[in-house]
Amino acid sequence: DTEVTQTPKHLVMGMTNKKSLKCEQHMGHRAMYWYKQKAKKPPELMFVYSYEKLSINESVPSRFSPECPNSSLLNLHLHALQPEDSALYLCASSPRGGTRNTEAFFGQGTRLTVV
Amino acid sequence: GQQLNQSPQSMFIQEGEDVSMNCTSSSIFNTWLWYKQDPGEGPVLLIALYKAGELTSNGRLTAQFGITRKDSFLNISASIPSDVGIYFCAGHRNSGNTPLVFGKGTRLSVIA
Repeated sequence: DTEVTQTPKHLVMGMTNKKSLKCEQHMGHRAMYWYKQKAKKPPELMFVYSYEKLSINESVPSRFSPECPNSSLLNLHLHALQPEDSALYLCASSPRGGTRNTEAFFGQGTRLTVV
Repeated sequence: GQQLNQSPQSMFIQEGEDVSMNCTSSSIFNTWLWYKQDPGEGPVLLIALYKAGELTSNGRLTAQFGITRKDSFLNISASIPSDVGIYFCAGHRNSGNTPLVFGKGTRLSVIA
């Protein structure tokens, strides 16, 4: 199993809504990531979890709240988003340790539209 | 954050032609990765490179880790319509405990 599974695939939410994005991997990877990707741009790192602890927050606004309940799951809680937050949100995971520890595997993404 | 210099930005080629794209940096990288992304999907890892000078193939794809450790290239031979997409280079500047740095991508279009 080399898959990173993200749900939902599409999400439309209002600016006052609260929603969550979910990500799951069963590759035994101990690093998990959230990226944001705008059209025709490369993925932009938001958060990194290493061994279930938040290790990097790239100055992301507090309306985005990550959570790592266990080594296989990663959530991104959304609240009071703005229309400019509309984007493709990508989850990724990579091993920690070993020669291939930098190979990040991405999920299909959640296409988020804020109205 | 820092981005890699990836070129060309876009390419239009005839089916059957070979394709070459590259990434350069002013900093040394210890790892180079090449991804392909289809519209509305996540990037898919194509090739990972770990040693300077390393040349690795994956089917019709070949990638090399530059000797100076500041560049990498990806070649696609005998292109087919399903090669269409955006190709991203990415790299780590040290052991991998720092986040990936991405290039801006090369958009490939294949004309049948």
